[in-house]
Amino acid sequence: AQSVTQPDIHITVSEGASLELRCNYSYGATPYLFWYVQSPGQGLQLLLKYFSGDTLVQGIKGFEAEFKRSQSSFNLRKPSVHWSDAAEYFCAVGLNNNDMRFGAGTRLTVKP
Amino acid sequence: DGGITQSPKYLFRKEGQNVTLSCEQNLNHDAMYWYRQDPGQGLRLIYYSQIVNDFQKGDIAEGYSVSREKKESFPLTVTSAQKNPTAFYLCASRYTADTYEQYFGPGTRLTVT
Repeated sequence: AQSVTQPDIHITVSEGASLELRCNYSYGATPYLFWYVQSPGQGLQLLLKYFSGDTLVQGIKGFEAEFKRSQSSFNLRKPSVHWSDAAEYFCAVGLNNNDMRFGAGTRLTVKP
Repeated sequence: DGGITQSPKYLFRKEGQNVTLSCEQNLNHDAMYWYRQDPGQGLRLIYYSQIVNDFQKGDIAEGYSVSREKKESFPLTVTSAQKNPTAFYLCASRYTADTYEQYFGPGTRLTVT
């Protein structure tokens, strides 16, 4: 079945540590790929997106993500996490029929 | 400032009542979307509209209705037929010439008791 999987429901990291959030998708063609961030009780803000070209994409707030076709993955990374990065992160896939599918989200907690 | 507004932020209703959630955008976007968000389930698509006076059901349209009389507005009505209406509702919009990127409003939390 077509899906977007975020294997980690909740991740805790210490402030200043590196971060990697995983995302895998199972669609036939290479879809458009997105990472969004959501603070509690707020809407979603786009962090970055991948359509084609360079498989390492840079986003806002110091985030980056790497598309790996062979692994059907689009993992989000940040070298040094700040306390303000605590939020929920959603991976999303844009399909050909004007549709977007979201993963279940990963909640990030940042320890002081 | 351009953006998407949703009102109200919090909404409380009694079971059996219909309730309408507002979504307005001044981004001149063609397409608009309604999602429902429940803890641990990500976002699920309720309805979407690509042009005025036209809309399509998403994955969980039962118990909901929409209208798109103006490009800027896409209200969602949660009817009494929706079995579990308590949730966080997000509206989004998109410029269809763009590559699927959606812009989101701040959301409305609906509580039905």
